[in-house]
Amino acid sequence: KAGVTQTPRYLIKTRGQQVTLSCSPISGHRSVSWYQQTPGQGLQFLFEYFSETQRNKGNFPGRFSGRQFSNSRSEMNVSTLELGDSALYLCASSDDRSGNTIYFGEGSWLTVV
Amino acid sequence: AQSVSQHNHHVILSEAASLELGCNYSYGGTVNLFWYVQYPGQHLQLLLKYFSGDPLVKGIKGFEAEFIKSKFSFNLRKPSVQWSDTAEYFCAVTPIGGGADGLTFGKGTHLIIQP
Repeated sequence: KAGVTQTPRYLIKTRGQQVTLSCSPISGHRSVSWYQQTPGQGLQFLFEYFSETQRNKGNFPGRFSGRQFSNSRSEMNVSTLELGDSALYLCASSDDRSGNTIYFGEGSWLTVV
Repeated sequence: AQSVSQHNHHVILSEAASLELGCNYSYGGTVNLFWYVQYPGQHLQLLLKYFSGDPLVKGIKGFEAEFIKSKFSFNLRKPSVQWSDTAEYFCAVTPIGGGADGLTFGKGTHLIIQP
């Protein structure tokens, strides 16, 4: 069974631009969550989607948004990019059952210049 | 909200040495506990997890962890490390049934194994 797939893997954007990252969860997984990983702050929770609804949200500004489609695929968007948004963005999926395990994708490396 | 503290940010060991990485969490309720590993250039992989039952859990590649509820700890151990264990190790916690903050991670421990 294929793992969590994220695209694109690497991208460079300019300050002020916006970016959209895509995530395909493991087949059958309905919960998708996003994390930001930076050397200074470590791994921080962005948000979680389940059945096309945002279920939880971390402490990030409104420039960070996401959505989930009926096939459980998810996208996250960052508008008005800042230099500090440079990070590895990780998508994770789970089957949301009791005792579930969260599986991570390889991430999308975003560099803002 | 929950929080996780990993005591050692950088650890350097020689091959065949024993390993113990500390992890303490803070949360008022019952939690699920995880250790993830991130090898250089690779994605986060689950090493082991604790949900309930036997507090000593065994994971992949010879790793194990012990949940001590009274100490809010979930330390990772391996009796004899190998050069291939060089990686970043993350302890994570989430409340039973999920939580508003998703998985909360520690800052990570960078482990270097010298041949």
